[in-house]
Parts: sequence; C-alpha cells; structure tokens
Amino acid sequence: GAGVSQSPRYKVAKRGQDVALRCDPISGHVSLFWYQQALGQGPEFLTYFQNEAQLDKSGLPSDRFFAERPEGSVSTLKIQRTQQEDSAVYLCASSLGGQDYTFGSGTRLTVV
Amino acid sequence: AQSVTQPDIHITVSEGASLELRCNYSYGATPYLFWYVQSPGQGLQLLLKYFSGDTLVQGIKGFEAEFKRSQSSFNLRKPSVHWSDAAEYFCAVGGPESSGDKLTFGTGTRLAVRP
Repeated sequence: GAGVSQSPRYKVAKRGQDVALRCDPISGHVSLFWYQQALGQGPEFLTYFQNEAQLDKSGLPSDRFFAERPEGSVSTLKIQRTQQEDSAVYLCASSLGGQDYTFGSGTRLTVV
Repeated sequence: AQSVTQPDIHITVSEGASLELRCNYSYGATPYLFWYVQSPGQGLQLLLKYFSGDTLVQGIKGFEAEFKRSQSSFNLRKPSVHWSDAAEYFCAVGGPESSGDKLTFGTGTRLAVRP
C-alpha cells in the first residue's frame, strides 16, 4: 500500500496476556521504527531495524518487549505478560533510510 | 543527550488569528528538526522539516518554522488559523549523531481553535 499499515487499530488485553502488534511498512523502506506514546505524552523510541537487522533496541522498557522483522519487511512487536503500564499507542514508522519517517496510524493497547 | 521542550501544553486561538507554537531543543551538533501534527486517533503527519540551508522552512497546510541556532529554537507559525488546525503538535529533533536515526519528541502542544 501507499502508507504504513498497523494492525490491529485497537487491542484490549487482560493483564498477564501476551499481545502481538503488526506493522507493514512502505514497500522498499529499509528502516523501520517502533515508538510508544503514553497518554498525554510525545512518542518515545523503542527500537529500530535496518532491513532484518535490529540495530538499536535501547528503548525497549523491559525484557517482556520483543520485536522482529525476519524478512526485512513486516515487523511484529510482541509484549509478554502485559501490565497496566503497557497501555499506550504503539506507533510504527518507516523510511528509505535516515530520519524522514512516515508513520502509521498506530495501535492503541489497553491493558485491563 | 538530545531533548525537546515544548513549553506550552495547551493553546487556544480564535479562527483567523495567527499562531506560534514554541519548541526548544538540545542537541550536540547540527540538528535535524521536525514538526508533526496528530489528530485524535491518528498517527503523526509531517508538517515540515529542517535539515540544512535556509532557516525559514515552509510546510504543508500553510505552516512555516524558523530555525534559530542562537536560541536553540524551531518555532512553528501560521498567519491565519483554520478550525481544522485543532490538533496536537509535536516538535522532534534528530540528526547525524543520533543513534539509530531515532527522533526525540517533545510532550506536545494541544491547539484548540475558537470559532
């Protein structure tokens, strides 16, 4: 498609459940980024891929968060044993390289 | 470490009035600067960006921003606000020294437009 596609748009999870969030970047975009946006805050960096290589995961808040991009295209952000503090909008962005991003519409995760 | 400060959490302006949203940044060398807009339930849309060159940058929807190195600022302006401009605005900084091409965002300014 023409833009970055994220699914699902909304996810409600019970505390302790595992969730998987999907990002389909713009075709040909080498770089892929995940950001977390808590309510009333700006987006915060989670992790970055260049093709299939995860080059920076310094923003992942705990070892319950895991991201992959096995074929250098679609990426999945997985959160294990979700906690209430994980409730946020998770934004994916892609670029041809560098910081000229295109963002998706995000997945709003609510942990109850 | 790079950082962005948006001092105004919430601003209300009348339709047709001018607008200026403030952004101050901290970055070691030459920054790349961005303004994004976010409507409720939506992702971030790029309004404009500064990488180098002319310090006055024109963007979409009639917005412009001016990079002032001496003040570490990149304020967003619009001469006449429309009701459809009501949204949240985020300033962000990156640059060639940013690890992994990451951007650092401010906490945002929510703009309300009075009819």
